[in-house]
Amino acid sequence: AQKITQTQPGMFVQEKEAVTLDCTYDTSDPSYGLFWYKQPSSGEMIFLIYQGSYDQQNATEGRYSLNFQKARKSANLVISASQLGDSAMYFCAMREVWGGSEKLVFGKGTKLTVNP
Amino acid sequence: SAVISQKPSRDICQRGTSLTIQCQVDSQVTMMFWYRQQPGQSLTLIATANQGSEATYESGFVIDKFPISRPNLTFSTLTVSNMSPEDSSIYLCSVLSTGLGQPQHFGDGTRLSIL
Repeated sequence: AQKITQTQPGMFVQEKEAVTLDCTYDTSDPSYGLFWYKQPSSGEMIFLIYQGSYDQQNATEGRYSLNFQKARKSANLVISASQLGDSAMYFCAMREVWGGSEKLVFGKGTKLTVNP
Repeated sequence: SAVISQKPSRDICQRGTSLTIQCQVDSQVTMMFWYRQQPGQSLTLIATANQGSEATYESGFVIDKFPISRPNLTFSTLTVSNMSPEDSSIYLCSVLSTGLGQPQHFGDGTRLSIL
């Protein structure tokens, strides 16, 4: 079963507008972490924002914020004031931890295009 | 965050050959990982590189095909052996430092094409 679901293969937004990228997750562990990464066409993976399952407040990092709705198991990324440089693939990932090790499980990603 | 150098950045190889990818970190890190990203796909964990011992492989990945070394806390290699066109992918090294909520940070990746 897919543990991270990103239902939007592609999204378009006008420059300077806000956009929300959806992410839902599935886990029975009470302790988990959720991450968003950006992958430009050059291929590198850039960490954007983190939300822990016990965090009381939604995470924010500059223009990025995470709309965390624990009961609905969603962790949507909100990008405010979009810029042309925001055009990239965006991946939601969940941290699975066991026996002193961990791994990230990634969603399929959303391709964001920012139009001038 | 740690600075991660991954080499080579890209390569074109003949089928049946092997290629070793290097990942160097500028500081000691707790864990190192290797991921594969096939064309148009998401990232999949190949294995966790363990210092001084055999790597821990995910289901579907085996040591004979993807031997991994990690001789110390700042360096790891991934070898893609006996390559076929299906191995054409981006291979990414990632590292994890200590601390609650710390993210994995990724190298710039190696774009590998097999002819």
